Amino acid sequence: DAGVIQSPRHEVTEMGQEVTLRCKPISGHNSLFWYRQTMMRGLELLIYFNNNVPIDDSGMPEDRFSAKMPNASFSTLKIQPSEPRDSAVYFCASSTGGPQPQHFGDGTRLSIL
Amino acid sequence: QKEVEQNSGPLSVPEGAIASLNCTYSDRGSQSFFWYRQYSGKSPELIMFIYSNGDKEDGRFTAQLNKASQYVSLLIRDSQPSDSATYLCAVMPLRNNNDMRFGAGTRLTVKP
Repeated sequence: DAGVIQSPRHEVTEMGQEVTLRCKPISGHNSLFWYRQTMMRGLELLIYFNNNVPIDDSGMPEDRFSAKMPNASFSTLKIQPSEPRDSAVYFCASSTGGPQPQHFGDGTRLSIL
Repeated sequence: QKEVEQNSGPLSVPEGAIASLNCTYSDRGSQSFFWYRQYSGKSPELIMFIYSNGDKEDGRFTAQLNKASQYVSLLIRDSQPSDSATYLCAVMPLRNNNDMRFGAGTRLTVKP
C-alpha cells in the first residue's frame, strides 16, 4: 500500500520566495496533519484537517503560512514570503481519525537562504 | 510543565540488553499513547500504540501504561544496533482526539 507521499523531498530557495509543499495522504484516511520539526523545537503540529476541513490551525506560526486541502487526496502548505527561520523539515501525516495512529510521509527538508 | 516529557538521553545500552524508555504526560484525561521511532534524517515510524492500563507486547517491544501515574514506557528486549534511533512518545489528550502531542524524544544507542 502506498504511504503518505510528500513533494518535493528537498527545497532550497532564497528568502522572500514563495514555497509550496505538497502532500497526498493514504487512501481512505480522512485526517491530515502538517508538522514542522527542528532541533530546537522538536516536532510541532501546524494544522490539521478532518474530511478536508481545517480544524485547528493554532500551530501555524504566522500569516505567512497557509494550508489548503481541496480534496481528500491532496493538501498544500504554502509559505509566502519565506524567511531563513522557516528552515526545517516539514512532515505530512494522515490517519483514519479519532484515537488512531498517524502515519508520516518522508518529509520535505526546506532550506531558506 | 511540558505536556509530554522524555529524557533526551542519550541512552546507551549494550547489544542484547533491555532498553527502557520513559515518558510522562500532564493531561490526566489522555486516552491514547504512541511510540514512534525516528532514524536520523528519516520520518517518524509508528512502533506501538496503547490505550489501556497495563502492558502490550509486540515482538521485542513492550509498551507499558500507568494512567494513575501518568506514565508510559517502552521496553526493547534483546536490543540490536539497528534499534539505535530517537524514540518519540506521543499522547492524544481526551479533549481532542486528533491533536497528538509529541515529546522531544530520547536518543538510544545500542553498542555492539
